[in-house]
Amino acid sequence: RKEVEQDPGPFNVPEGATVAFNCTYSNSASQSFFWYRQDCRKEPKLLMSVYSSGNEDGRFTAQLNRASQYISLLIRDSKLSDSATYLCVVNDRTSGTYKYIFGTGTRLKVLA
Amino acid sequence: SAVISQKPSRDICQRGTSLTIQCQVDSQVTMMFWYRQQPGQSLTLIATANQGSEATYESGFVIDKFPISRPNLTFSTLTVSNMSPEDSSIYLCSVRGVSSYEQYFGPGTRLTVT
Repeated sequence: RKEVEQDPGPFNVPEGATVAFNCTYSNSASQSFFWYRQDCRKEPKLLMSVYSSGNEDGRFTAQLNRASQYISLLIRDSKLSDSATYLCVVNDRTSGTYKYIFGTGTRLKVLA
Repeated sequence: SAVISQKPSRDICQRGTSLTIQCQVDSQVTMMFWYRQQPGQSLTLIATANQGSEATYESGFVIDKFPISRPNLTFSTLTVSNMSPEDSSIYLCSVRGVSSYEQYFGPGTRLTVT
């Protein structure tokens, strides 16, 4: 089983739609979780950290379910500019190291 | 978040040669990392660059192939040695935030080996 798994997509959605991505992780000791956005031929940019209580930033909502070991990202009222690859990232802090493990990413295409 | 620059932004190199990539951060950071992203793939951690000591390499990556320097808290280099076409990739430098576990990336170096 991969350490961090995501559905690669692509998810093709019309403007204004709501879309949700899930990500599962295998190490129950994982402590920090993030969603990054990566545009074509660009570096990943931090979208949001994911907290146990869930967190919201405008149209974006992230949730963490430790019992089931998954993280979700919800995007409401999709814009054309949301088209990108969304990377789920898990930070394993076992043995005193700070290893960030990236999922393969989920591609989103928002269509006019 | 820190401002991170990388040089060169891209290069085309011949098989058997070496390329050194520089990463400069505008503030002191405790942790710096080097990643590789091959076409259509996600990011793979190469190593953690440790200031004043040898880098910590991930499985599958060795110092002879990817020597790393980190002379201070704002600068690091990654060398890709004895390159082959399989080394064609984007190489990304990243840093961890001082007061959080968030990570920020440089713009990347796009390497093509012919």
